[in-house]
Amino acid sequence: AQTVTQSQPEMSVQEAETVTLSCTYDTSESDYYLFWYKQPPSRQMILVIRQEAYKQQNATENRFSVNFQKAAKSFSLKISDSQLGDAAMYFCAYHERGSARQLTFGSGTQLTVLP
Amino acid sequence: SAVISQKPSRDICQRGTSLTIQCQVDSQVTMMFWYRQQPGQSLTLIATANQGSEATYESGFVIDKFPISRPNLTFSTLTVSNMSPEDSSIYLCSVGIGGHRNQPQHFGDGTRLSIL
Repeated sequence: AQTVTQSQPEMSVQEAETVTLSCTYDTSESDYYLFWYKQPPSRQMILVIRQEAYKQQNATENRFSVNFQKAAKSFSLKISDSQLGDAAMYFCAYHERGSARQLTFGSGTQLTVLP
Repeated sequence: SAVISQKPSRDICQRGTSLTIQCQVDSQVTMMFWYRQQPGQSLTLIATANQGSEATYESGFVIDKFPISRPNLTFSTLTVSNMSPEDSSIYLCSVGIGGHRNQPQHFGDGTRLSIL
């Protein structure tokens, strides 16, 4: 079974600085997707960024980028120029391509942005 | 991206009662999914709801406790039956959008349920 591990329950960053959130996963599959979701206190789950395992190039979305290391099964999220609105719980998630089974989530990292 | 509306957004219920949560999508989707997020926890998949067939439940979740309907390609309901305080959670529906029909990417705003 696939597992997703987020080893940092809490992180903090100064406004305008950069922070990296860690995620590792375990799978025997070679074709899958990885995601980072953001959940602010409003509880809405917001897709931040996604990575397809067969693509070597790291995904980027504005201030958000990932460092995808397939061999190491690592998928970290870098937030540049952190803003107060980035404060939220961040979840790493895995999905096997073509599978009917759904997202497997990590335990989450609570990010605090300090003014 | 799709607009996913979930109702109610929150509710406080008495022990032993049941509550039905609705999930409406503004486009047709093949698969809809229901998740539970217990306080301070991550999301756990309850079941997958396909239109025209029985929902597929994950280990630890049963139809008698969480009956699901999927009458068409834009709507689903989840009922939490015979509620107890342990059912206090956020319940979220999600759908897959675009070319990856079986890949949920978008979530509703969730229903925060508290049982007294």
